Amino acid sequence: QKEVEQNSGPLSVPEGAIASLNCTYSDRGSQSFFWYRQYSGKSPELIMFIYSNGDKEDGRFTAQLNKASQYVSLLIRDSQPSDSATYLCAVDIPLQNNNDMRFGAGTRLTVKP
Amino acid sequence: GAGVSQSPRYKVAKRGQDVALRCDPISGHVSLFWYQQALGQGPEFLTYFQNEAQLDKSGLPSDRFFAERPEGSVSTLKIQRTQQEDSAVYLCASMPAARREIDNEQFFGPGTRLTVL
Repeated sequence: QKEVEQNSGPLSVPEGAIASLNCTYSDRGSQSFFWYRQYSGKSPELIMFIYSNGDKEDGRFTAQLNKASQYVSLLIRDSQPSDSATYLCAVDIPLQNNNDMRFGAGTRLTVKP
Repeated sequence: GAGVSQSPRYKVAKRGQDVALRCDPISGHVSLFWYQQALGQGPEFLTYFQNEAQLDKSGLPSDRFFAERPEGSVSTLKIQRTQQEDSAVYLCASMPAARREIDNEQFFGPGTRLTVL
């Protein structure tokens, strides 16, 4: 089992719709969860992090975390064509005194005008 | 301030050549990571440094891959006797803290695109 799993997509939604991106992780000790956006040919950029069970909202983005189910998701409301990118889920790996992280393979999102 | 920089941005190597990829992290950042990203895939962890100490190299795919960070700042990823399957983008990321903090963010460099012919 991979440490971090995502549906590779592609996920296609119409402009203005809600895009839902999902991620599962294998290590119950993980505490920090990150969503990165990566435009084609560019490096990943952080858009949200979450560490408590429940929802965290930032503008049009909402991250949801369920540690019991080892599941983290990202909702994008009012999707825009500029949101078209690959979304990477990243999870910390709880090694002593370290800050190791693992990434999922990413979900490619296309928002159609 | 300056972000993470990597050089070269593009590298073409003939199979069997040795290559060296450089990463300049953000000044003062303690943690440094190397990732390999194949086309259409997420970043795959290669190795992690805390200052000059290489604390995890479990992701290095073979003994042809070697990374160092001798003074705890600049890091070099070396690939010996390159093979076609080494073709990928190599990303470097740095993070300010050493100990686990829940909101640690990795700052990525632009990557080096390596093509092995």
